[in-house]
Amino acid sequence: SQTIHQWPATLVQPVGSPLSLECTVEGTSNPNLYWYRQAAGRGLQLLFYSVGIGQISSEVPQNLSASRPQDRQFILSSKKLLLSDSGFYLCAWSVGGATDTQYFGPGTRLTVL
Amino acid sequence: QQPVQSPQAVILREGEDAVINCSSSKALYSVHWYRQKHGEAPVFLMILLKGGEQKGHEKISASFNEKKQQSSLYLTASQLSYSGTYFCGTEPASGSRLTFGEGTQLTVNP
Repeated sequence: SQTIHQWPATLVQPVGSPLSLECTVEGTSNPNLYWYRQAAGRGLQLLFYSVGIGQISSEVPQNLSASRPQDRQFILSSKKLLLSDSGFYLCAWSVGGATDTQYFGPGTRLTVL
Repeated sequence: QQPVQSPQAVILREGEDAVINCSSSKALYSVHWYRQKHGEAPVFLMILLKGGEQKGHEKISASFNEKKQQSSLYLTASQLSYSGTYFCGTEPASGSRLTFGEGTQLTVNP
């Protein structure tokens, strides 16, 4: 069965510091991968998605970037965090094909102070 | 384009019923429903494909009216465990990624 991991689970970072969040998927090959951000009490904002190694599409211009160095690894980064980057970051995967049903990882709660 | 969910929030007593609606301005291929409990990740509940089908998951069922580009989620005889935020996600008929609504917060009280 497929499993998706994210780490760290919780992170507190000062403004201006760098960020690296990691997501890995097990039990499937060539998944579509997604990064979402969720502000408190709000919906899911799609940040990036990837259909393959090295293929990244950005949905929202910001100070974040994403990379996919391996088939089942997706990384979210920032060189300098802003206060507005605080939120719940969710990684998701889908098999693609006929429908885009997505399955979410446990998430990383980021607080920027 | 983001689907519109209504209501934004609903409060129930255990055993009561609720309906959550999701509508899109685009022709749809499918509608997905997810539930997110506080502090956790969204969990996939069900998918409805065009064709006006209806599906069920425990005492939760959903319908999809392709012509109206609408879907409804029905929660029958609600339980405390149903509390959470429900999101619909829509896939357009033109072929694109899932887009999520803003969510409906459901609270079930004893």
